[in-house]
Amino acid sequence: DIQMTQSPSSLSASVGDRVTISCQASQDINNYLNWYQQKPGKAPKLLIFDASNLETGVPSRFSGSGSETDFTFTISSLQPEDIATYFCQQYDSLPFTFGGGTKVEI
Amino acid sequence: QITLKESGPTLVKPTQTLTLTCTFSGFSLSSRGVGVGWIRQPPGKALEWLGIIYWDESKRYSPSLDTRLTITKDPSKNQVVLTMAYMNPVDTATYYCAHRRPTLTYGGSAFDIWGQGTMVSVSS
Repeated sequence: DIQMTQSPSSLSASVGDRVTISCQASQDINNYLNWYQQKPGKAPKLLIFDASNLETGVPSRFSGSGSETDFTFTISSLQPEDIATYFCQQYDSLPFTFGGGTKVEI
Repeated sequence: QITLKESGPTLVKPTQTLTLTCTFSGFSLSSRGVGVGWIRQPPGKALEWLGIIYWDESKRYSPSLDTRLTITKDPSKNQVVLTMAYMNPVDTATYYCAHRRPTLTYGGSAFDIWGQGTMVSVSS
């Protein structure tokens, strides 16, 4: 299985801060990576697909970048409603594994 | 508007078989490129991809669960059914079904709409 390693596992930031989350794949996954947001007690929500494409309706403060094995998810200006856990997911090879998650707090 | 909803038992005994139903609306599972996947999440832990069924009847399973997992579809009822045999306490989790959409990249795939999830506990 492809291992997806996210870092940090948790972070605390202030409103307005720039937040960056890293996701590293154990092998080249091309750009086959998505990012999801999960709020407590809720289902995940797709934010970014194909590493850098913003899902329709998602605020532009969210962005993704990277390729091959190293990917980055960024919130340009953290808002109170962004408190959640964020997961990356690869779909290059079965099983389509998720990262361990990054919990973002204020 | 696409919606999905999982249903099934909240408690199963060890060694029993779990059957969960995903009832969906707003799309056709016969449309090219469409799929319905299953993902689970143990309490306080990360998401785990279980498997998926596609519009063309093809299926993919997590290799670690391949011998225990079956996903079928009933297009006439707009339902997808997951069965998992030999349940044990480590299978305790919230189980989600999700709509798979092809993305811009060739072979691209994303779960763009998720069900609310259903919590399944495994205990005697």
